[in-house]
Amino acid sequence: RKEVEQDPGPFNVPEGATVAFNCTYSNSASQSFFWYRQDCRKEPKLLMSVYSSGNEDGRFTAQLNRASQYISLLIRDSKLSDSATYLCVVISGSARQLTFGSGTQLTVLP
Amino acid sequence: GAGVSQSPSNKVTEKGKDVELRCDPISGHTALYWYRQSLGQGLEFLIYFQGNSAPDKSGLPSDRFSAERTGGSVSTLTIQRTQQEDSAVYLCASSGRGRSSYEQYFGPGTRLTVT
Repeated sequence: RKEVEQDPGPFNVPEGATVAFNCTYSNSASQSFFWYRQDCRKEPKLLMSVYSSGNEDGRFTAQLNRASQYISLLIRDSKLSDSATYLCVVISGSARQLTFGSGTQLTVLP
Repeated sequence: GAGVSQSPSNKVTEKGKDVELRCDPISGHTALYWYRQSLGQGLEFLIYFQGNSAPDKSGLPSDRFSAERTGGSVSTLTIQRTQQEDSAVYLCASSGRGRSSYEQYFGPGTRLTVT
């Protein structure tokens, strides 16, 4: 079983739709969680951290469920510019190395 | 301010040749990471440097891969006797101190093609 697993998609949604991605992780001792965004042939960029209490940044909401070992990302009122691959990232251990999921591809259609 | 920079942006090499990839982290960032990403795949951790501590090399796929970081800043990833399976985008990232040490900033990557 992979350490971090994501549904690869693709998710094709119309503009304005609400879309949610889940990501599961296997290491119960994992400490920190993030969502990164990667545009085609570009480097990953930090989208948001995921806090235990859940957090919101504009149209984006991230949540963590430690009991079930998953994190989620909700995008409301999706825009064409949201089209990208969304990478779930988990930090475990003291080395602070990030373990990346393989990403979920989102395409927002006009 | 300047972000993470990497050079070259693209490198085509023949099988069996050695290559060196360079990373300049964000000024003041103490941690530096190397990852690689094959086409359509997630990121694979290679090596991690933190300050003057011994690097975490646990992700290096073989002894043909090595990396160094001089003066706590610039890093070079070296691949000896390249193989076709080494073809990938090699990404460097850096991070700062405290809570922000978990937030990594990536360079644009070096696209390596081994022919």
